[in-house]
Amino acid sequence: DQQVKQNSPSLSVQEGRISILNCDYTNSMFDYFLWYKKYPAEGPTFLISISSIKDKNEDGRFTVFLNKSAKHLSLHIVPSQPGDSAVYFCAASSVNAGGTSYGKLTFGQGTILTVHP
Amino acid sequence: GAGVSQTPSNKVTEKGKYVELRCDPISGHTALYWYRQSLGQGPEFLIYFQGTGAADDSGLPNDRFFAVRPEGSVSTLKIQRTERGDSAVYLCASSFDGRYNEQFFGPGTRLTVL
Repeated sequence: DQQVKQNSPSLSVQEGRISILNCDYTNSMFDYFLWYKKYPAEGPTFLISISSIKDKNEDGRFTVFLNKSAKHLSLHIVPSQPGDSAVYFCAASSVNAGGTSYGKLTFGQGTILTVHP
Repeated sequence: GAGVSQTPSNKVTEKGKYVELRCDPISGHTALYWYRQSLGQGPEFLIYFQGTGAADDSGLPNDRFFAVRPEGSVSTLKIQRTERGDSAVYLCASSFDGRYNEQFFGPGTRLTVL
């Protein structure tokens, strides 16, 4: 049961254009979402996160949008750069009734982004 | 060091052998996580430590897998009687207190079981 899904295995974008990576989830208990970037032979690197009380969070070229009713989030990269070429993972977690974290992240399968010069 | 470190970076073993994988988290991080990543998949949760105790071990696939963090810092993932299906990249991550889940990952240990 894949609770976090990234349905596009790959995305190819021209340098300077917008990259949009999508992620869907099924577990309504998820309330904190993150995007990670991964280069070959390295561990995932945190990019940006969003809490379920927000619908948008922006950090430089990276913006994450959350649509709770649709259980959908997306990562926008503007403008895209060749150095952005990597695998992008979305991840989700939930908190317990006490407001503390359950700790574990549930990841999607990843999307390979290629930005062409 | 500044980041999470994992040793060894690569481990090749034979089916049935015992292996230990080590993780050094970022200094001061109380929360430590182990994940496993198979080819073409995202990381899959194994176990989460808060301090010395395993707060959530629901991701361990069976009793051949065990992890410890005796002093609340370094952690060791132990796999007994390895099987070919255990071949994967084992990732360790740490976070300040586990509350907000901005986890910082190490480079991983690539385990190959022949």
